[in-house]
Amino acid sequence: DAGVIQSPRHEVTEMGQEVTLRCKPISGHDYLFWYRQTMMRGLELLIYFNNNVPIDDSGMPEDRFSAKMPNASFSTLKIQPSEPRDSAVYFCASSLGPGSRAAFFGQGTRLTVV
Amino acid sequence: ELKVEQNPLFLSMQEGKNYTIYCNYSTTSDRLYWYRQDPGKSLESLFVLLSNGAVKQEGRLMASLDTKARLSTLHITAAVHDLSATYFCAGPFETSGSRLTFGEGTQLTVNP
Repeated sequence: DAGVIQSPRHEVTEMGQEVTLRCKPISGHDYLFWYRQTMMRGLELLIYFNNNVPIDDSGMPEDRFSAKMPNASFSTLKIQPSEPRDSAVYFCASSLGPGSRAAFFGQGTRLTVV
Repeated sequence: ELKVEQNPLFLSMQEGKNYTIYCNYSTTSDRLYWYRQDPGKSLESLFVLLSNGAVKQEGRLMASLDTKARLSTLHITAAVHDLSATYFCAGPFETSGSRLTFGEGTQLTVNP
């Protein structure tokens, strides 16, 4: 398996624009997580899905952020409109089962909002 | 308030030396994870500790978990330069067992 695949790897956008980040989890994994990493706040869980259903979105910073998982092999994280403070590295991770195994992380998307 | 505290946050050590990184957490958890992150890279799973008293070793790294003390340790033996990275502990500090909360990370630099 190629692991968790994220795209794009880098994104530079202007404030106010819509940004869509994409993730393909490892085949067979039933949990998918979106994290954000910044120097100031470290690693934060934004939302996670189990069997394509959003379970906990309490980490989503505000209504500008939304996430979907239309099927077991694809998820998106959308920011609309984007703001400079959204600049961060966004990681997608997937795991098999609720916690007895580690989550596998994608390479991340480095988002810069100017 | 949930707190996951790693100590130290920055560690500079000489090759060949031993050291321990500590991870304290403020609420109950029956499992604990350790991850490694190289600069500009993703997170790589190192250890999954699933019960009180669990100990796992891989090469020069050994991790342990004491759920009663709410403490996990990552011990480095005879450090080598390749171990330079940031190490994170994380736990599912909720009954769901799925939502991981990460510590701040310990940035380790091993000097030749």
